[in-house]
Amino acid sequence: GESVGLHLPTLSVQEGDNSIINCAYSNSASDYFIWYKQESGKGPQFIIDIRSNMDKRQGQRVTVLLNKTVKHLSLQIAATQPGDSAVYFCAEIDNSGYSTLTFGKGTMLLVSP
Amino acid sequence: DAGVTQSPTHLIKTRGQQVTLRCSPISGHKSVSWYQQVLGQGPQFIFQYYEKEERGRGNFPDRFSARQFPNYSSELNVNALLLGDSALYLCASSFGRGAYEQYFGPGTRLTVT
Repeated sequence: GESVGLHLPTLSVQEGDNSIINCAYSNSASDYFIWYKQESGKGPQFIIDIRSNMDKRQGQRVTVLLNKTVKHLSLQIAATQPGDSAVYFCAEIDNSGYSTLTFGKGTMLLVSP
Repeated sequence: DAGVTQSPTHLIKTRGQQVTLRCSPISGHKSVSWYQQVLGQGPQFIFQYYEKEERGRGNFPDRFSARQFPNYSSELNVNALLLGDSALYLCASSFGRGAYEQYFGPGTRLTVT
C-alpha cells in the first residue's frame, strides 16, 4: 500500500534495540493521550494510552511517559522487532468541548534485522 | 469479529465531481468518526456521529457532509472535489459518544485528478 510515512521524521534502529519515539503536544486542556501504530495501507492501531493524572504506564514491551510540565509524551518500545516498523502517532483528547481526537505529526520507525 | 469496514478501497475522481464513502462500524458500536489523512501527516478529524446525530465537526468546509443510518453505518459525502481533497479517508467506530477507544478501518484512498 501507499506509504503514510512520506516526509516524516524517521528513527532507524537494529532489531533487539530499545526505541524511543517522542511527541510534543500543545493543548494544556488535553486529559488523555494515546499512541497509535500505522502500517502501510492500514488504519491506525491502538498501542497504549495514558491519562493526564499519570506520568507513566506500561504495557507489553511498550511504556508511555507523560511530562505535562513540558507537554511531552514518549513511547518506549523494548527489544524492537522488524514487525514494529511502522509510523507512530501520538494523539490527544480534549474533553473541554467536543471530545475529539487530535493527532500529532508522526514518526516513522524502521527496524533492521 | 469483523472490524471496521470501509468501501471502496480506492477511488479516482475528477475535480468538481462528488464522492460518497461508506463505513460499517464494529457490531455494537454506536459512534462513527471520520478523519482525513493527507500523505505524510496525521489524521485530521472531520465529523463524529453518535446515535445518528452529529456530535462534533472539525475545521472542514461545507462541501463535506456525513450521515449515520439506523444500523449505525455511515456515509461521508464530499461535493465539488478539489485536488487537495486527495487523501486517505479513515472511519473509526467506538461504543460511546467520546473519542475514547476508537477502532479504525483501513481507509478509502481518494485521488482527485
